[in-house]
Parts: sequence; C-alpha cells; structure tokens
Amino acid sequence: DAGVTQSPTHLIKTRGQQVTLRCSPKSGHDTVSWYQQALGQGPQFIFQYYEEEERQRGNFPDRFSGHQFPNYSSELNVNALLLGDSALYLCASSLAVLRTGELFFGEGSRLTVL
Amino acid sequence: SQQGEEDPQALSIQEGENATMNCSYKTSINNLQWYRQNSGRGLVHLILIRSNEREKHSGRLRVTLDTSKKSSSLLITASRAADTASYFCATDTITGANSKLTFGKGITLSVRP
Repeated sequence: DAGVTQSPTHLIKTRGQQVTLRCSPKSGHDTVSWYQQALGQGPQFIFQYYEEEERQRGNFPDRFSGHQFPNYSSELNVNALLLGDSALYLCASSLAVLRTGELFFGEGSRLTVL
Repeated sequence: SQQGEEDPQALSIQEGENATMNCSYKTSINNLQWYRQNSGRGLVHLILIRSNEREKHSGRLRVTLDTSKKSSSLLITASRAADTASYFCATDTITGANSKLTFGKGITLSVRP
C-alpha cells in the first residue's frame, strides 16, 4: 500500500522563477492538501483539492496555484519565486467522506530560493 | 495564522521519564490531533481526540482535551530515545466544507539515552 509520494525531494531555484511540485496521494484517498513549513515553524495550510477543484484556501497569494488530476494526484505551482518561499512543502491526503479524519503526509519537497 | 500554541517550546528528558506537552487553541473545534515530525521529514499522525471526548489512549500515548479551557495535553510515558522529534498539535475547526487542519509551532522533544 503506497503512501503519499512527493517529487522532487529537493530543488533550488532563483528569485523570479517558477516551480511545480507533485504529489500522489495514498491509495484510496481522494483529497489532497498542501502545506508550507518554514524552518522552525509549524505547517501552514495553502489549499485543498477535492474532485479536481480547489475547496479551501489559506492566506497565500495568487502566485500559489494548484491542480488536481482525475487520478487524484496533485500539483502545486509557485510563480515569481521570492526568497521567503524557501520552505518544506508538504502534501497530505485524506478521504473526504471521513471529513474529520487524520491526514497522511508525504516526506515533502524542500525548496530553496536563492 | 496559528490556531494552536504548544507549550513548552522545547523539552529535554531522560529516557524512561514521562513527557507532557500542552496545546492551547482559540476557536471551537471538531477534533484535535497530535502529529510527530522527525527532523526535516513528513508528519506522522499520532492520535485524534474529538470535541466530545475528554481522554484517549494509544499505546504509550495519552491525550486529554478540555474544551472549556480550549486546551489539550499529550503525555508520552516511559520515553525512549526514538521519541526524539518535534510534536505538533493541529485543530480541525468547524467549517461548512471539507475540514482542514491548523497547526501550532511545535514542541521539540529530546530524549537523552
């Protein structure tokens, strides 16, 4: 039973560039949430996708966008990168019907913006 | 914004001792969850307690919830060096759509062998 997988694990970009991060949810899950975790901080909710639509969004600018595919996998895109976007980006999956269940996290994609 | 605040920020204990971590939150919740994160890795779910529950056990873990005080505590008994990690409380707030979790800043637990 595959868990949540994320790619790439590490990447380095320069200011102004764009990045795409990918996530495959745990088998059987249909909801994907993305979190940003700065060094020494807790994860901050970016947005959540269910049925290929953005269902909820945190306090992040429009530079952060996403997509969910029919197979439930998801992408996070960040445009016009800033130094402050350097963080660990975590994908978490869940099953919508449970509504208030646990999240299963991937190992994250560590983004460094120079 | 942070919903939960953990206390203390850092905790260092000897192997075999108990570790108690606290979390306070601000708004009404559906449930409260505790997660563990080893350095730079993904988060692992530990335990979930619903708003109508007061105490829950799972192995060496005991979590309590006091909704009147908007606080929770996580007790790890007979700690091991492998328990060294960051611990986060996360609240699932009442919304009309799919639920989402709001995390605190975390507690760094060091267990000395």
